[in-house]
Amino acid sequence: DTAVSQTPKYLVTQMGNDKSIKCEQNLGHDTMYWYKQDSKKFLKIMFSYNNKELIINETVPNRFSPKSPDKAHLNLHINSLELGDSAVYFCASSHKAGNQPQHFGDGTRLSIL
Amino acid sequence: AQTVTQSQPEMSVQEAETVTLSCTYDTSESNYYLFWYKQPPSRQMILVIRQEAYKQQNATENRFSVNFQKAAKSFSLKISDSQLGDTAMYFCAFMKPDNDMRFGAGTRLTVKP
Repeated sequence: DTAVSQTPKYLVTQMGNDKSIKCEQNLGHDTMYWYKQDSKKFLKIMFSYNNKELIINETVPNRFSPKSPDKAHLNLHINSLELGDSAVYFCASSHKAGNQPQHFGDGTRLSIL
Repeated sequence: AQTVTQSQPEMSVQEAETVTLSCTYDTSESNYYLFWYKQPPSRQMILVIRQEAYKQQNATENRFSVNFQKAAKSFSLKISDSQLGDTAMYFCAFMKPDNDMRFGAGTRLTVKP
């Protein structure tokens, strides 16, 4: 039944490692997003994809690379993890039409040791 | 660039009372959408209410209603008959028609028994 699902929910890893977070939605949406929520709860958009095409690409280090194999999936790969990458990462999806709300996954808490 | 300001980092309210959370935004766009999202301690992002800028009528969802003042660029959330389950972070969000959504810093609401 889960509409937007992210895996894993928790990720603890060492500085310098490479990791991926997966996201899948079964709502039939054509637009997907990645957000970062920092320790002060501030939410900031990182990327958005529409039908596998990159639409929004905020000022994010190029160590972060989104991949959309199809419109139901948007994965986030992070290279050479740094301490400052510790945060909660949320995946979201919506219909392309601008008046539609975004539906969020439960978030992935990434902790860098 | 659009900015969203929530001037109340924390608020509290007694159970069954009414509370209003403030939000202002800055934009040069004429067409946009506004949302309130709730984030309980479980970390989920839950849509509370939405408003289209072209609609003059204020949106209402059960105990939740908004006061949308377009000229003043203000979008406050009123919660009536507050319940313990309303305890959460509340985020105001502004979205352009291209689905680029920006969040305020959030207001932490505590409902006291």
